[in-house]
Amino acid sequence: NFMLTQPHSVSESPGKTVTISCTGSSGSIATNYVQWFQQRPGSVPTTVIYEDYQRPSGVPDRFSGSIDRSANSASLTISGLRTEDEAVYYCQSYDTSNVIFGGGTKLTVL
Amino acid sequence: QVQLVQSGAEVKKPGASLKISCKASGYTFTSFYMNWVRQAPGQGLEWMGMINPSGGSTTNAQKFQGRLTMTTDTSTSIVYMELSSLRFDDTAVYYCARGRSRTSWGQGTLVTVSS
Repeated sequence: NFMLTQPHSVSESPGKTVTISCTGSSGSIATNYVQWFQQRPGSVPTTVIYEDYQRPSGVPDRFSGSIDRSANSASLTISGLRTEDEAVYYCQSYDTSNVIFGGGTKLTVL
Repeated sequence: QVQLVQSGAEVKKPGASLKISCKASGYTFTSFYMNWVRQAPGQGLEWMGMINPSGGSTTNAQKFQGRLTMTTDTSTSIVYMELSSLRFDDTAVYYCARGRSRTSWGQGTLVTVSS
């Protein structure tokens, strides 16, 4: 079964840039689109990146997504970190007809 | 704008069944699959299955085969999720989530399974 692996946690200082990886277990992560969700404590997830690198309206351009085919991974990069970016970030893709979530990465901004 | 409004919190006993509704508005209901995703306390997101409101075809995650039923009412733009034979570890927040791209989420329904 296809799986997506994320680091459990990352931390960085305000104003800096952080990148969160999402690695596919097999096949090619580039075959299907990747989404990224932000979930602040006690809140509903929200989409920050869809279709690998697209940003929904209202999501600042500090958030960007990319695919690295050679590493079979997707990445979410957040620049100019703010304390409000502190959240758990989930990648999501799909395998044939199943939707797959990564395990989530807790971002601490300190 | 897209809105997904879910039914309220539930407390169930082990072995019982659960039925949650998700009322959609702000878009063409039959144009987007609806997913059901759950999140156990302190845990990550878990995809349960999805339904195509146009025709009613469903796909369940293997883990929920035989226990999960999803239906739609196109006249009211409501999607239903029914989970049977509840266990203690079904305690979670259950979300409906629209589509595979630029996903919109319902507000979540807390389900507690307790004797």
